[in-house]
Amino acid sequence: EDQVTQSPEALRLQEGESSSLNCSYTVSGLRGLFWYRQDPGKGPEFLFTLYSAGEEKEKERLKATLTKKESFLHITAPKPEDSATYLCAVPSTDSWGKLQFGAGTQVVVTP
Amino acid sequence: EAQVTQNPRYLITVTGKKLTVTCSQNMNHEYMSWYRQDPGLGLRQIYYSMNVEVTDKGDVPEGYKVSRKEKRNFPLILESPSPNQTSLYFCASSSTTEATEAFFGQGTRLTVV
Repeated sequence: EDQVTQSPEALRLQEGESSSLNCSYTVSGLRGLFWYRQDPGKGPEFLFTLYSAGEEKEKERLKATLTKKESFLHITAPKPEDSATYLCAVPSTDSWGKLQFGAGTQVVVTP
Repeated sequence: EAQVTQNPRYLITVTGKKLTVTCSQNMNHEYMSWYRQDPGLGLRQIYYSMNVEVTDKGDVPEGYKVSRKEKRNFPLILESPSPNQTSLYFCASSSTTEATEAFFGQGTRLTVV
């Protein structure tokens, strides 16, 4: 069964304190891994797509990396505006259209 | 402006009263999908559509119906809502038949009493 697990569930950081979020998956034949950001009361906002092990993508203070079994979202020198829930998702083994989301990591960055 | 529009944003209804949540996108996207989000359970896919007249079940389709008669619209129908369908619902669309780089709507908060 396809599974996506994110850790930790919540993360509280001081402004400037770098950290990493983890997304591990058990789908066979990975066809992409997606990272989204979600602010309270809003729809998720797309951040990155990663397709193959070793691939990295960057956007401002965020960097996503991918291995064969997991992905990391690194937040470097975070600011309070980086506070959000970060979600990862992978397409299901049996269908491109079927997406499995992790439960998310809630990040709070305090000044 | 590129967007996915859901209506209504908030809805309180009674058990058994049929309702429809509309979703419309203005980006000519082929792929559209519905999700529900519940505390501790994350986003779970209800139905998706890879093109007009093509729909398929996600992980939690029970109690829901969808239709895709035209590319821009993908309504979610609850024929007989029950309290366990109280949730935050999101519609999403993507420019390819694959579920990549999806644009999400602002959400519909549904309460069934």
